[in-house]
Amino acid sequence: QKEVEQDPGPLSVPEGAIVSLNCTYSNSAFQYFMWYRQYSRKGPELLMYTYSSGNKEDGRFTAQVDKSSKYISLFIRDSQPSDSATYLCAMSELTGGGNKLTFGTGTQLKVEL
Amino acid sequence: DAGVTQSPTHLIKTRGQQVTLRCSPKSGHDTVSWYQQALGQGPQFIFQYYEEEERQRGNFPDRFSGHQFPNYSSELNVNALLLGDSALYLCASSSRGDHYGYTFGSGTRLTVV
Repeated sequence: QKEVEQDPGPLSVPEGAIVSLNCTYSNSAFQYFMWYRQYSRKGPELLMYTYSSGNKEDGRFTAQVDKSSKYISLFIRDSQPSDSATYLCAMSELTGGGNKLTFGTGTQLKVEL
Repeated sequence: DAGVTQSPTHLIKTRGQQVTLRCSPKSGHDTVSWYQQALGQGPQFIFQYYEEEERQRGNFPDRFSGHQFPNYSSELNVNALLLGDSALYLCASSSRGDHYGYTFGSGTRLTVV
């Protein structure tokens, strides 16, 4: 079993839809939770981050972490064609200096006009 | 301000050969991490360098080795290439212990034939 599970999709939605992306994990030591966006032929770019449990909102994006269920989510409101990309969840442990990230498989999202 | 620079962008090698990939970190960053991303998968952590020493290592064989130079730039070396080493190799830089400040390069696409 992988440490981080993510539905690979692909997910296709109409413009303006609300998108929900999710990851589950098995490692209780994960404390830092991130969502990255990756466009084709590019490296991942950090989209949202949260520490431990809770919610965080940034414009059209909301990240949620439920540590009791080992479940994290990313919501995208009013989705746009420019949101079409692969979304990767990532997590890391509280360690003595190192910041290794463990990624999910990535969910491919397409927002259609 | 330049981000993370990787070279070359694409590379084709034959099984059994050796390859060296290069990375220049973002200005102000002192930690370099390398990830392997197979097609349709999330990035997998190879190792992390700080102060010219390997600090963390993922589940990769000894064929994968690296180096960090005094100017924080880094190299990834892979010996005895296998077909399964074909992937996008991503370099990420950060400040020591910063879980959210990763900056990824666009990667080197390695094809082993």
